[in-house]
Amino acid sequence: EAGVAQSPRYKIIEKRQSVAFWCNPISGHATLYWYQQILGQGPKLLIQFQNNGVVDDSQLPKDRFSAERLKGVDSTLKIQPAKLEDSAVYLCASSLEYVAENIQYFGAGTRLSVL
Amino acid sequence: AQTVTQSQPEMSVQEAETVTLSCTYDTSESDYYLFWYKQPPSRQMILVIRQEAYKQQNATENRFSVNFQKAAKSFSLKISDSQLGDAAMYFCGVGNQGGKLIFGQGTELSVKP
Repeated sequence: EAGVAQSPRYKIIEKRQSVAFWCNPISGHATLYWYQQILGQGPKLLIQFQNNGVVDDSQLPKDRFSAERLKGVDSTLKIQPAKLEDSAVYLCASSLEYVAENIQYFGAGTRLSVL
Repeated sequence: AQTVTQSQPEMSVQEAETVTLSCTYDTSESDYYLFWYKQPPSRQMILVIRQEAYKQQNATENRFSVNFQKAAKSFSLKISDSQLGDAAMYFCGVGNQGGKLIFGQGTELSVKP
């Protein structure tokens, strides 16, 4: 079974530029999550999708971050414009449904460096 | 609101020995799950073990087991017969009914040969 795929693995940009990350979840997983992991911290949920609808985006800085999950499969997370404090690893995860017992499967993440 | 605290930023264990990683949490939910994830340098978070809060019996997965103390809101991870491949960051997490996972700050485990 293929895992969660993310690209790119690394991205370096200058502040005020824009960047986009892509995620392809495990086939059949209805729920998709984007996390931000700042160096030395645990992952923090940014947004949660159920199929192509948003379940929770309360921690997403909506003035600069946006995310979409067209057709309920792949998802894209965008930052525009980027700030220095956005330097982090962005992790995508998926699960069958958004219930407590469901295991979340993670991708390898994208490491973003904002200079 | 849910919070997770891992009070040990770093731990070290000798190969083949046993180590325990600590985790405390706070939640207002009555039904929740607890998780330990491992994050090696490759960055991919891998599930180590999962515990249902309504079950008193501690979960076990091969060399990994938990000590779940619900009243104390404590959820520690014990790794027996430590192996070099166990070296990684370990994150404790609490999952609520909406599927949202809250993670602690992590514990970096090193294994000495």
